[in-house]
Amino acid sequence: KAGVTQTPRYLIKTRGQQVTLSCSPISGHRSVSWYQQTPGQGLQFLFEYFSETQRNKGNFPGRFSGRQFSNSRSEMNVSTLELGDSALYLCASSRQGGDTEAFFGQGTRLTVV
Amino acid sequence: GESVGLHLPTLSVQEGDNSIINCAYSNSASDYFIWYKQESGKGPQFIIDIRSNMDKRQGQRVTVLLNKTVKHLSLQIAATQPGDSAVYFCAEIPLTGNQFYFGTGTSLTVIP
Repeated sequence: KAGVTQTPRYLIKTRGQQVTLSCSPISGHRSVSWYQQTPGQGLQFLFEYFSETQRNKGNFPGRFSGRQFSNSRSEMNVSTLELGDSALYLCASSRQGGDTEAFFGQGTRLTVV
Repeated sequence: GESVGLHLPTLSVQEGDNSIINCAYSNSASDYFIWYKQESGKGPQFIIDIRSNMDKRQGQRVTVLLNKTVKHLSLQIAATQPGDSAVYFCAEIPLTGNQFYFGTGTSLTVIP
């Protein structure tokens, strides 16, 4: 079956712009989580959605937001981009979230210049 | 917040040897643990998981050991191969949440 699909794979934006990243989970999975990965910081949790509702949120500023659609696809948005937002953004899907196996996409590499 | 750490940031092993990657976690209430492998340019790939009611779980060439007394998790890779070279992360999932807490990762290099 198809894995987790993230688009686009690469993105270059300038400071102050906004960006929207997309994640299509594995068919049948209702939970989508987003993570930011930077060198030396590991994977930092952004938020998790389940059945179109945000269930959990990490310690990121309000510039980071997300949503989930009825088909479980999810988007995350970052507004007023800063240089420090340059990172690999990963999404993970699982059937229920939390205590179930999560599968990651290949990520979107965002570079802010 | 949660704290999941790795004892060694890098590990080099000879091809064919066994590898052991360690992870310490801080939340004794955590219920579920996962090891992920991340190769360059790819997203993390699920390797093996273990629940808190178990001490050991085996997969294909991999074994995860959980010591709840000292809050320690380890991943053992048997007969390490060049294709095992990657960064390995442990993840901790508390009983009360849907959030994964990841360690900073251990970079494994297999020397042919």
